[in-house]
Amino acid sequence: DTGVSQDPRHKITKRGQNVTFRCDPISEHNRLYWYRQTLGQGPEFLTYFQNEAQLEKSRLLSDRFSAERPKGSFSTLEIQRTEQGDSAMYLCASSSPLAQGPSSYNEQFFGPGTRLTVL
Amino acid sequence: QQQVKQSPQSLIVQKGGISIINCAYENTAFDYFPWYQQFPGKGPALLIAIRPDVSEKKEGRFTISFNKSAKQFSLHIMDSQPGDSATYFCAARGGFKTIFGAGTRLFVKA
Repeated sequence: DTGVSQDPRHKITKRGQNVTFRCDPISEHNRLYWYRQTLGQGPEFLTYFQNEAQLEKSRLLSDRFSAERPKGSFSTLEIQRTEQGDSAMYLCASSSPLAQGPSSYNEQFFGPGTRLTVL
Repeated sequence: QQQVKQSPQSLIVQKGGISIINCAYENTAFDYFPWYQQFPGKGPALLIAIRPDVSEKKEGRFTISFNKSAKQFSLHIMDSQPGDSATYFCAARGGFKTIFGAGTRLFVKA
């Protein structure tokens, strides 16, 4: 499977614990995005990497959240001191600056997400 | 100014009918308007997309109508099928940031 992969798919943790999620983008994609999706809502932008550089962070990304993409390939998203409000689906997407067809326009391809439940 | 408003929240359509989902935006800097389909337990997948210099785009049973002056766009699903039952998100992109609507849960009755 050459799509975006995320690990783990599900994570249950207790409030106050730290969690880390991993995203492996499509291999030739140099752009990587993290989103958060709560029940009944659309994905909300969290952060964006171009290669290893983190170029944009949403105000949603509090100081308990940190994301890295050390070698410009896979990325990790860490949440420290988790709170119940952090329970959500965390989605990763990747894209390439090269046009991929008339309707793609640097299209983002999403992974299956990591569902986090904080008890 | 960053919001994308989507309606309805849910939609029930008979098999073979037309499903229509509407979206509105405010930020005129958006330059790309995709629609995503999401099944339970999966990430969103691109369905069809349009740029603001085009008023309509059709791909198979799916059509986007775009009204730049009104800052509105809509998705029409012709001949809706039970397999189309999913959540649909409109979105608007400016640069690298994509803003999503809240989603429409579509159920197509057999």
